[in-house]
Amino acid sequence: DLQMTQSPSTLSASVGDRVTITCRASHSISSWLAWYRQEPGKAPKLLIHKASILADGVPPRFSGSGSGTEFTLTISGLQPDDFATYYCQQYNTYSSGMFGQGSKVELK
Amino acid sequence: EVLLVESGGGLVKSGGSLRLSCAASGFAFSTYGMNWVRQAPGKGLEWVSFISTSSTYIYYAESVKGRFTISRDNAKNSLYLQMSSLRADDTAVYYCARGLTIVGAAYFDHWGQGSLVTVSS
Repeated sequence: DLQMTQSPSTLSASVGDRVTITCRASHSISSWLAWYRQEPGKAPKLLIHKASILADGVPPRFSGSGSGTEFTLTISGLQPDDFATYYCQQYNTYSSGMFGQGSKVELK
Repeated sequence: EVLLVESGGGLVKSGGSLRLSCAASGFAFSTYGMNWVRQAPGKGLEWVSFISTSSTYIYYAESVKGRFTISRDNAKNSLYLQMSSLRADDTAVYYCARGLTIVGAAYFDHWGQGSLVTVSS
């Protein structure tokens, strides 16, 4: 079964910092990867699809890269709204493990 | 504006049943595959079920297969999740999510606000 693993689980940062989150797939998913941000108490919001394409309205401080089994999400210049939890999601196949376990960005 | 509004959540005893609804507006509902995704308290996201535009294709996560049934009514712009034989580990916020399918599965470009289902033992 296809599984997604994110790292780190938690990272501490300050406003203005550049942060990177990694997502690894248990086998190749080409570029069929999405990233979401979830603020506390809110629904997830789509940030990126097809590994590197920004969703409508998403600011350019977010960027994604990778293909195959290894992917990264980079936030260049953290803003207060960015202290949240980020999830990667593969959409190569439907499975219980479509999402990574999440990476929480907290205030240092 | 795309809007997805879930309803029907609540407290139910273990072994009981519950039906969630999702009312869609602001887009051509019948032309999009739809999904349910859940999140247990303090945990991550778990995809639950998918239904294609005309209900031809339906998929479930192994954890709910045989207990949950997804359906839709395109005339009413509504999505449903009938949940039965509920267990404590089904306790979660259930999100309705619009899917964009490119290859085998979908990514989710719009989400509802969620509906909390609590299963008591």
